[in-house]
Amino acid sequence: DAGVTQSPTHLIKTRGQQVTLRCSPKSGHDTVSWYQQALGQGPQFIFQYYEEEERQRGNFPDRFSGHQFPNYSSELNVNALLLGDSALYLCASSLGAGEKLFFGSGTQLSVL
Amino acid sequence: GENVEQHPSTLSVQEGDSAVIKCTYSDSASNYFPWYKQELGKRPQLIIDIRSNVGEKKDQRIAVTLNKTAKHFSLHITETQPEDSAVYFCAASKKSDYKLSFGAGTTVTVRA
Repeated sequence: DAGVTQSPTHLIKTRGQQVTLRCSPKSGHDTVSWYQQALGQGPQFIFQYYEEEERQRGNFPDRFSGHQFPNYSSELNVNALLLGDSALYLCASSLGAGEKLFFGSGTQLSVL
Repeated sequence: GENVEQHPSTLSVQEGDSAVIKCTYSDSASNYFPWYKQELGKRPQLIIDIRSNVGEKKDQRIAVTLNKTAKHFSLHITETQPEDSAVYFCAASKKSDYKLSFGAGTTVTVRA
């Protein structure tokens, strides 16, 4: 049984570029949440997707957008990258609105 | 929104001793409190969680206590082992919310 998988594992971009991160949830899970974890800090909630719609959003600008596909996988898109977007981006899946989140290993994004 | 504070930020203990990490939360409506362990370069993993209708929960060497009146909860690790060395995060959420609000993390080092 595969857990939560994310790709790519590492990514280097320059300011102003756009990036797409991908996530496949744990088998049987239908809800995907995205978190940003800056170095030395706890994860910060970006948004959650359920039934292919954004169900809740954290305090992140519109440059951050997402999508969920019929097979429950999800993408996180960030436009007009800033240096401050450099962080570990974690995807977490759950069953429904269940609180027990299972995290992926993350995508380390570096913006130069 | 919910604000979770975590102390201490670093904790060094001798192997075999106990470790205690404390968190406070601001929103009295919060009713779910998980703890995650994140080893260097790896994904956060849920180690124990507690709901607001329970005051204490134990799983082998790990226990969590909750004081709803004071709005704080704690993680207790007994008989610490070198493999307990990691960053530990507390988090909180409420029933009407789909996100977890995380503390800033505690780096635990177990000295052999």
